[in-house]
Order: sequence, then C-alpha cells, then structure tokens
Amino acid sequence: GQNIDQPTEMTATEGAIVQINCTYQTSGFNGLFWYQQHAGEAPTFLSYNVLDGLEEKGRFSSFLSRSKGYSYLLLKELQMKDSASYLCAVVDSNYQLIWGAGTKLIIKP
Amino acid sequence: GAVVSQHPSWVICKSGTSVKIECRSLDFQATTMFWYRQFPKQSLMLMATSNEGSKATYEQGVEKDKFLINHASLTLSTLTVTSAHPEDSSFYICSAREGGLEYGTQYFGPGTRLLVL
Repeated sequence: GQNIDQPTEMTATEGAIVQINCTYQTSGFNGLFWYQQHAGEAPTFLSYNVLDGLEEKGRFSSFLSRSKGYSYLLLKELQMKDSASYLCAVVDSNYQLIWGAGTKLIIKP
Repeated sequence: GAVVSQHPSWVICKSGTSVKIECRSLDFQATTMFWYRQFPKQSLMLMATSNEGSKATYEQGVEKDKFLINHASLTLSTLTVTSAHPEDSSFYICSAREGGLEYGTQYFGPGTRLLVL
C-alpha cells in the first residue's frame, strides 16, 4: 500500500528553527509537495521537490532524498503566524497525489 | 498568480435540499480540478478528480449520484451536494492544477463550510 508518515504534532519556540520530517512509501514517485494549512482555512502551497537536495525559499526550506523516501521542511526564525498544520503530499506513478495526515506545529512565545 | 476562488464560503441549509459550490481558477486555465472534504481535525480526503469536458473520477466510497461534479470550462468546476443530510456537514475544498502537467502544483480555493440542519 501507499503510506506517508509525518509526526502528528510538534512544538517549537518563537525565533527558533524546526524541522518537520516526512517519509513515504508509494508506488512510484513524481515529486513531493509541502503545503501549509492554518486552522479553518484551505492549504496553501509551500514547495515542490522532484530532485534530491535542498530548495530554499526565504525562511522555509525543503529537502528531498528519493533513495531514502524522505523529505523534511525546515522553518527558520519561527513566528507565531507559523502555527499551522504542515502537509506532505507525494505524486505517485499514476500522478495521484497521496496526502499525509499533516503535522500540527505549535509555536510558543 | 494561481488564484482559486470558491463560492459560497458558508452554507447553512435544511436537510433534503441541494447545495451547489463553485470553484474557479481566476488567472490560469485548469484542465483538472479536485474536490476534497475535510472533517474537523482530520486530514484532507479526496472526493473526486474533475477533468474539463469529461466525467469526474470519484474515489472509492464517494457516491457519484449524491456529489454531482461538472467541469464545464477550463476555469470552472461545480460540486452539487444533492439531498444533503447532517452527516454531509463538512469543509469542502477545491483545488485546481496549474497547466497541463500531471504533477503540476495544486492551488486550493478558500473552502466552503457546509452545515446541514
């Protein structure tokens, strides 16, 4: 079967750095997305990785290792507004988007 | 760019009525649109994939006669919840895939909260 694993919840301090991991086992791989979803709102696109390595976009970076079936989202200089759920999603061989359950990130002052 | 709108944002209706939700890609053409449902504190659940000019593909367990999807143009898809019941109360979110790439980024609409009394 297809499976995406990410921690259910994480807590971090304002101004700090946090890394949210995502591991996947899917039938094929055509890229991995990270989305941010604030409570009561729809997801917003953060990043897309299809090649190994680190992609940096401001305070957010996303890393992919296809051989390990692993990705992480790195958030630097955390702000209170970063409190949200972070969703990992993988495009499989049929170009279906397989969603993880999301990681709820709680930022404390 | 890549803005998706949804209308209405909130619907309260009586049990047995039908509700229509519109999803529009405002600044790009979307060959494929997706409809999701999300219950409180749960993950997104894909209901169906909608391709312009063809019938929608429904996920297992989603009743196609209850959730009618029409993708009449490259910028508009509609979801009609027919004979809604309280258990259909949920957060319905559409997304549109940019461009013709099958691995293209999905951009989400703001969602529609449906409450069936």
